[in-house]
Amino acid sequence: AQTVTQSQPEMSVQEAETVTLSCTYDTSENNYYLFWYKQPPSRQMILVIRQEAYKQQNATENRFSVNFQKAAKSFSLKISDSQLGDTAMYFCVSPLWSQAGGSNYKLTFGKGTLLTVNP
Amino acid sequence: DAGVTQSPTHLIKTRGQQVTLRCSPKSGHDTVSWYQQALGQGPQFIFQYYEEEERQRGNFPDRFSGHQFPNYSSELNVNALLLGDSALYLCASSFQAPNQPQHFGDGTRLSIL
Repeated sequence: AQTVTQSQPEMSVQEAETVTLSCTYDTSENNYYLFWYKQPPSRQMILVIRQEAYKQQNATENRFSVNFQKAAKSFSLKISDSQLGDTAMYFCVSPLWSQAGGSNYKLTFGKGTLLTVNP
Repeated sequence: DAGVTQSPTHLIKTRGQQVTLRCSPKSGHDTVSWYQQALGQGPQFIFQYYEEEERQRGNFPDRFSGHQFPNYSSELNVNALLLGDSALYLCASSFQAPNQPQHFGDGTRLSIL
């Protein structure tokens, strides 16, 4: 079974500071992607960053970066220079490909971490 | 370029009724997935449609069914509604190619009385 675990239900950070959200996962896939999605109060799920498991280099998107530890099955998200607009629920997400093959996959979400950025 | 659009935004039904939710994928996308998100939880996968066929299904009863049309839009139908079906229903679209990210709509908030 594919599982994604986020052990921090809630976190808070002061504006302009750095915060790290933790995630561990378990998968039987050999080649896979991992994602972080955010869901602000407006409720739209937005892709923040993705990591390809076969790449050793950690992904970076502007103020967002990941620390991907494949052997430990750890995938944390670091947000630098936090902004008020970063307040949202953050989900660590792992895709699971169809056993029938092809490009069909479903997303397995963690329970989420509610991040609040304080002024 | 319009993103994923869902309708309606909110819906209130009573137990035992039936409901249909609609989704139009992002331009260029041919695959539609549906997720159920209970309050305070992460989304749970319901099913996925590609080429007008259900390709994958999560652990949801047969009361949940769907359809994909030739223009790639999709519907989610739920019969015999239960109180536990109250949730945010999210539609995600993607292009049918390896490792293409899924793009989400704003969701439909379904409340069962």
